[in-house]
Amino acid sequence: ETGVTQTPRHLVMGMTNKKSLKCEQHLGHNAMYWYKQSAKKPLELMFVYSLEERVENNSVPSRFSPECPNSSHLFLHLHTLQPEDSALYLCASSPDGTGGTEAFFGQGTRLTVV
Amino acid sequence: GQQVMQIPQYQHVQEGEDFTTYCNSSTTLSNIQWYKQRPGGHPVFLIQLVKSGEVKKQKRLTFQFGEAKKNSSLHITATQTTDVGTYFCAGRDYSGSARQLTFGSGTQLTVLP
Repeated sequence: ETGVTQTPRHLVMGMTNKKSLKCEQHLGHNAMYWYKQSAKKPLELMFVYSLEERVENNSVPSRFSPECPNSSHLFLHLHTLQPEDSALYLCASSPDGTGGTEAFFGQGTRLTVV
Repeated sequence: GQQVMQIPQYQHVQEGEDFTTYCNSSTTLSNIQWYKQRPGGHPVFLIQLVKSGEVKKQKRLTFQFGEAKKNSSLHITATQTTDVGTYFCAGRDYSGSARQLTFGSGTQLTVLP
């Protein structure tokens, strides 16, 4: 148990569906992240929130929409995805959003787009 | 932009053999972190190195940060089957232009009993 909980663990969705991924951290951290992990590719940073404000968006397509209502919760809203978006989506948190502190990862949501 | 390259991509070793993975950055780093991801699991933080030439040990694991702060290595002595997994390095650019960590592609370690 890392203190970062992601739901659902597995998700299969059609290209026309709308779904949301949820992440919750119980560590009192100020920063939360979404990463995409595809086979044979490095972890790709998608979004960073620090103190509930988005501080970085690494040119992610608009079909991915993040939401951070408070410092403990992070959502990733998905709509009209493509099959190439199938991947493991990892949420992480850290004490601050500078990249200089340890990141705690959730167990991930395995997403399959059909 | 900053690139972090990791080699080898895959490594198979016999149990008891040593293992090393190397991480190289295109830019000078302010710090580097190492993570381990077990098969079917999520990345777990191992260590952070900050100082030039720094060496840290965790039991059979030895981590080094290069003098120029552009490369790092992880060495495992006498591997065990519990060492199986993918090892990632992640570095933060020294210039501060990229405030976040850039992950390497990882080295997948298989330990044969």
